[in-house]
Amino acid sequence: TQLLEQSPQFLSIQEGENLTVYCNSSSVFSSLQWYRQEPGEGPVLLVTVVTGGEVKKLKRLTFQFGDARKDSSLHITAAQPGDTGLYLCAGANVDKIIFGKGTRLHILP
Amino acid sequence: GAGVSQSPRYKVTKRGQDVALRCDPISGHVSLYWYRQALGQGPEFLTYFNYEAQQDKSGLPNDRFSAERPEGSISTLTIQRTEQRDSAMYRCASSILAGAFTDTQYFGPGTRLTVL
Repeated sequence: TQLLEQSPQFLSIQEGENLTVYCNSSSVFSSLQWYRQEPGEGPVLLVTVVTGGEVKKLKRLTFQFGDARKDSSLHITAAQPGDTGLYLCAGANVDKIIFGKGTRLHILP
Repeated sequence: GAGVSQSPRYKVTKRGQDVALRCDPISGHVSLYWYRQALGQGPEFLTYFNYEAQQDKSGLPNDRFSAERPEGSISTLTIQRTEQRDSAMYRCASSILAGAFTDTQYFGPGTRLTVL
């Protein structure tokens, strides 16, 4: 059974600090997707990484796909209260998609 | 344009009753996916369609769960003889491309099912 483990489960930090959340698996994926989910809403795709070692930036968010395409990280620089939410990673292959349990991030003003 | 819509948004039913959950995907989207999401967890894949054809139902928990998309647009997820363990948020998503899990999926707001 393929599993995606996200860490930490919960993270509460002060505005302006940097943070990194991780998504790890023993399985190889064709692509790794990161979503953000607000309370009462569905997940919204932030980025998809497809190449081992790939780095993508979205303003203050930096996403990296591991060289072996089994893991990924999300780094947020100078976190802001608007970054608060549930961050989900999902590993996708041609025939399936698996979501992690998410990291619940809370940025304190 | 309109996003993915789901109805009802909330459904409370008694154990043993059948329920039908509806998903209206973004117009023109070929693929439609159903997920179940427990509180504080990530979505769990149930099944998906390319056009009207159900491609994979391996994620459906048991034979009480079924889904259809007869005209390749609106889809219905039906749960027969509901049980308390079926209580969850049921989410639908759609994507432009056919059956590509690597394609961007647009999620609906979900139907919160509570089985008493």
